[in-house]
Amino acid sequence: QVQLVQSGAEVKKPGASVKVSCKASGYSFTSSEINWVRQAPGQGLEWMGWMNPNNGNTGYALKFQGRVTMTRDTSIDTAYLELVSLTSEDTAVYYCAREEYDLWSGYYPFDPWGQGTLVTVSS
Amino acid sequence: DIQMTQSPSSLSASVGDRVTITCRASQGIRNDLGWFQQKPGKAPKRLIYAASTLQSGVPSRFSGSGSGTEFTLTISSLQPEDFATYYCLQYDSYPRTFGQGTKVEIK
Repeated sequence: QVQLVQSGAEVKKPGASVKVSCKASGYSFTSSEINWVRQAPGQGLEWMGWMNPNNGNTGYALKFQGRVTMTRDTSIDTAYLELVSLTSEDTAVYYCAREEYDLWSGYYPFDPWGQGTLVTVSS
Repeated sequence: DIQMTQSPSSLSASVGDRVTITCRASQGIRNDLGWFQQKPGKAPKRLIYAASTLQSGVPSRFSGSGSGTEFTLTISSLQPEDFATYYCLQYDSYPRTFGQGTKVEIK
């Protein structure tokens, strides 16, 4: 079945960086975009950006530009999210989610999602 | 950016009740709207896309409607497993934007 499996929880100090992975299985990795969404404790969902695994193209939310990088390794069907200059406000669960695109029907949003990766930023 | 205003932010309901959640977009998004259910400690799960298309495997008591700027998620007869938080998402343009969420609690 189509599945996204993320890397494990991380604890980082302020000012550090974190890299979260998202391994895809059950479909052609390069055929769909990967989006990243985060959720701070007790808060709603916040979209961070997208990446096209076929060509590496990316688009980031303005809030994260300059601090976020989304990459991929097509040899192992894995997408990555890197966030630098972490502060306590980056403490959140980070999710990856697949977004399909069809030339005739357009986008099919955010299915499935990875299980989430908790990133805790604390001194 | 397109803002998604979701209401109510929370509601209390009983098993068997009909529940309606609304999302309003700050500009027209055609039918590029999805609804997601999230239970505590779990990743969100897609229920509906294209405003009214039910995700495979999702019970038929869930339905979506609307187009343009006004959208509705309806649960026709609330079941115990439906107590969760629901989010709308517009995917008509970037940045993708979510509604603030609606927490459905047991009365």
